[in-house]
Amino acid sequence: EVQLVESGGDLVQPGGSLRLSCAASGFTFSRYWMTWVRQTPGKGLEWVANIKQDGSETSHVDSVKGRFTISRDNARNSLYLQMSSLRAEDTAIYYCARSSVHCSSPSCRLYSDYWGQGTLVTVSS
Amino acid sequence: DIQMTQSPSSLSASVGDRVTITCRASQSINIFLNWYQQKPGKAPKLLIYGAASLQSGVPSTFSGSGSGTDFTLTISSLQPEDFATYYCQQTYSIPATFGGGTRVE
Repeated sequence: EVQLVESGGDLVQPGGSLRLSCAASGFTFSRYWMTWVRQTPGKGLEWVANIKQDGSETSHVDSVKGRFTISRDNARNSLYLQMSSLRAEDTAIYYCARSSVHCSSPSCRLYSDYWGQGTLVTVSS
Repeated sequence: DIQMTQSPSSLSASVGDRVTITCRASQSINIFLNWYQQKPGKAPKLLIYGAASLQSGVPSTFSGSGSGTDFTLTISSLQPEDFATYYCQQTYSIPATFGGGTRVE
C-alpha cells in the first residue's frame, strides 16, 4: 500500500525557516517524480514544486522561487521542502504527492496519483 | 500561467442524480487534465487523469471527457459518498494549476 506521511509543519514567525519532510513507503520511491502541493482557504490548491526521480531536475512556482527548495533522499525514501523567508501568505496545509507519467503521443506529462495527509504550516507573529 | 476555470462553483444534487462539472483552460492543454475529489479534512484523491482515464479503484460512475480547452467530469448516478468538492488540474505546463473547485452538496 502506498503511504506518504508528511511532518515538520509548525507555527513560525514571518521571516523564519522550516523544513518539511515526507516519508514514502509501499512503492519504489526512486522510480517516481515527487511533488509538493499546498492548500489555503483563500487560494485553494496551489502546486508548489516537483523533483525528478534522481533529483537532477526541479521546478518551483514563482511565488516560492529563491525561498523554497525541494529535495529528496532516495536512500531514505524521503522528500523534503526547505522553506525560508516565510511569509503570512505561505500559511497552508502542505501535501506531498507521488507523480506518475501519462503519455499522449508525442507528449508525456505528470499527474499526482497518491497524496499524503498533509502538514500545517502557520506563519504568524 | 494557465488559468483553470471551473463551473459551477457549487451545486445541489440528490442521490441518483447525474452531475456534470466543467473546467475550461485559458489555452490548449491537449488532454493533460486531471480531476480530484476532496472531502473535508482529507487530502485530494485522484479520480481521472489524462482527461478520460479512470484511476484504479475509482467507481465507473465517474467519467471524464474533453480535450484542448474544455473538459467535463460526469457522475452518472450520485452516491452518498460522492458529496465532496471536485477540482480540475492541468499538468500541460509548469506551474501545474488547479481550478477553484466545485462543491457538490
